[in-house]
Amino acid sequence: AIRMTQSPSSLFASTGDRVTITCRASQGISSYLAWYQQRPGKAPTLLIYAASTLQSGVPSRFSGSGSGTDFTLTISCLQSEDFATYYCQHYYSYPWTFGQGTKVEIK
Amino acid sequence: EVQLVESGGGLVLPGRSLRLSCAASGFTFDDYAMHWVRLRPGKGLEWVSGISWNSGSMGYADSVKGRFTISRDNAKNSLYLQINSLRAEDMALYYCARATRYSSGLDYWGQGTLVTVSS
Repeated sequence: AIRMTQSPSSLFASTGDRVTITCRASQGISSYLAWYQQRPGKAPTLLIYAASTLQSGVPSRFSGSGSGTDFTLTISCLQSEDFATYYCQHYYSYPWTFGQGTKVEIK
Repeated sequence: EVQLVESGGGLVLPGRSLRLSCAASGFTFDDYAMHWVRLRPGKGLEWVSGISWNSGSMGYADSVKGRFTISRDNAKNSLYLQINSLRAEDMALYYCARATRYSSGLDYWGQGTLVTVSS
C-alpha cells in the first residue's frame, strides 16, 4: 500500500498567519491527491482534489500544489474557523490511504 | 440535497459480526462510487473500502481485507459494510462517503455510525 506521510503532525498558529502543510507519498501518485478538513465532532469536508483544484464552495485562501510524491496545502490567511485537523489522501489506486493528519491549533 | 445516513453500529462482542448500512438520497446513487472511512479513538482517518457504481470494482484496506465486505443495492440507494470477526481495533466511527463523479476524492459524508467492540 502507498504510505502518506504528513508534516508537521501539529502546529500552533494565529489568525491571519500563512500555514503550510506537507504530504509525501511513498511512491509517485501523479496528481491523484485530495485534502480534507475535519473539525471536532464533524464529518470531514473535501477541500482540494487533483492536488490543486479547489472544491466548489471552499474559500480561496486554501490552495494546493505538487505532483508525484510531494504535495502541499497552504492556508494563506488563517481564520478562526480553520482551526481543525487536515488530512491528505491519495486515490491513485486501491487501497486508498490517508496521511496521519495535521492538527492546526491556536497559538 | 445530498444526504448519507449510516446505521447499524452498536456494542458488539469481539469475534462477532455486524452489518453497517448507509441510506443515500438527493442524488442519482448508481452514478457514483461509494466508500467507507473510519475514525478510531485518538487516531486519524482510515480509508476502509470502496465500491464502483456497478459493484464491478471493490477495494479494501490491508487491515480489513478478508474480514470486511462492501456491497451496494442500487435499487434501494443503499451501501453496506459487512464486518466479520470484529477486533478491538475495529472500534471506530464509520463514515459512508460519496466519491466525486470521477472518483477524485470524497465529496459528501454522512455523520457516521459508532461501532464499539468490548466484552
